[in-house]
Amino acid sequence: DSGVTQTPKHLITATGQRVTLRCSPRSGDLSVYWYQQSLDQGLQFLIHYYNGEERAKGNILERFSAQQFPDLHSELNLSSLELGDSALYFCASSYRDYNEQFFGPGTRLTVL
Amino acid sequence: GESVGLHLPTLSVQEGDNSIINCAYSNSASDYFIWYKQESGKGPQFIIDIRSNMDKRQGQRVTVLLNKTVKHLSLQIAATQPGDSAVYFCAENISGANSKLTFGKGITLSVRP
Repeated sequence: DSGVTQTPKHLITATGQRVTLRCSPRSGDLSVYWYQQSLDQGLQFLIHYYNGEERAKGNILERFSAQQFPDLHSELNLSSLELGDSALYFCASSYRDYNEQFFGPGTRLTVL
Repeated sequence: GESVGLHLPTLSVQEGDNSIINCAYSNSASDYFIWYKQESGKGPQFIIDIRSNMDKRQGQRVTVLLNKTVKHLSLQIAATQPGDSAVYFCAENISGANSKLTFGKGITLSVRP
């Protein structure tokens, strides 16, 4: 158990809908990272937040957004969902900007 | 560009043998590398890391080797066990890139009993 929690574990929704994925980092970690994992693209970095502020962006679509709250938990919002958004979404956390990132169990999103 | 890749998609080894998983990276500016293990249904788990000022680093039953000349990274697992069966990813990071890790596609290690 990495200490990072993610909810929900599974999510099934329809195209055009909007969903919110939640992540709670390890106690004491200030950084939260979001990744998308699909069969054909592997693990893709989406976005990094540090202590409430956006630090780095990867290949995140404009339909996706994230935020980190004062209690350091983070939410990833996915809107106007498409079939191709079906994937595993992982959250990871680290203390400050340290490179060792601890991953949560992931949320499996299925868009029908 | 930022590109991390693995030479082989799958690796099958006999229990008790040593395993070697290879990874090539293309960005010579990368200065930090990590190996992650991902078991079915779980998130990636940190195994070992190495910085570019080192050639070798050892952990418990695992060793990472870095060859900066040919931009090659390898993970050696000694006395491979059934519990080592998983997908292994190498990842690279460039200092100043705010800990943005670039992951390779992954290689499946299958341990035969």
